[in-house]
Amino acid sequence: RKEVEQDPGPFNVPEGATVAFNCTYSNSASQSFFWYRQDCRKEPKLLMSVYSSGNEDGRFTAQLNRASQYISLLIRDSKLSDSATYLCVVNLNYGGSQGNLIFGKGTKLSVKP
Amino acid sequence: NAGVTQTPKFQVLKTGQSMTLQCAQDMNHNSMYWYRQDPGMGLRLIYYSASEGTTDKGEVPNGYNVSRLNKREFSLRLESAAPSQTSVYFCASRSGTGGAYNSPLHFGNGTRLTVT
Repeated sequence: RKEVEQDPGPFNVPEGATVAFNCTYSNSASQSFFWYRQDCRKEPKLLMSVYSSGNEDGRFTAQLNRASQYISLLIRDSKLSDSATYLCVVNLNYGGSQGNLIFGKGTKLSVKP
Repeated sequence: NAGVTQTPKFQVLKTGQSMTLQCAQDMNHNSMYWYRQDPGMGLRLIYYSASEGTTDKGEVPNGYNVSRLNKREFSLRLESAAPSQTSVYFCASRSGTGGAYNSPLHFGNGTRLTVT
């Protein structure tokens, strides 16, 4: 099983739709979790951190399920500008080191008029 | 606020040539990273520096060397470029103190490197 897995998509949805992405991770010792957004030929940018209790930022909601080892991202009322690739990122803690951030390969979202 | 600055933005090399990718951050971050991104492969860690004076190998270090020049700067060197090193390279930094495991990465704009 790969360390971080995402459905590559593409997810093609109409404006105003609600869309959800899941990401599974294999290492139960994973410490922290993030969703990044990457536009074509641009650098990844932090969308939101994922907290144990779940968190919301406007139209975006992130959830963490440690028992099943997955995180999710829900986007409500999709906008054309939400079209991008969404990267799931998991931080592994290797003892006393800084650890490592493992990136999923991303899920591509395309929002259509 | 510049954040993370990478140079150059584009580079074409011939096989066997050498070059250094520069990266600087102005956020007083302790940890800095170099990634490469290839189609279908996602982001892969080449080297990282947890703090000034330390460097460690990541997932794909072969063919690269790094230097943590000071707290702000972290350079990546290709001594003898190969076509397999054609990729987009991203430098990133994060706080790396206290709740290090909860601090996100901040990325530079990337360097698009082609080796012919």
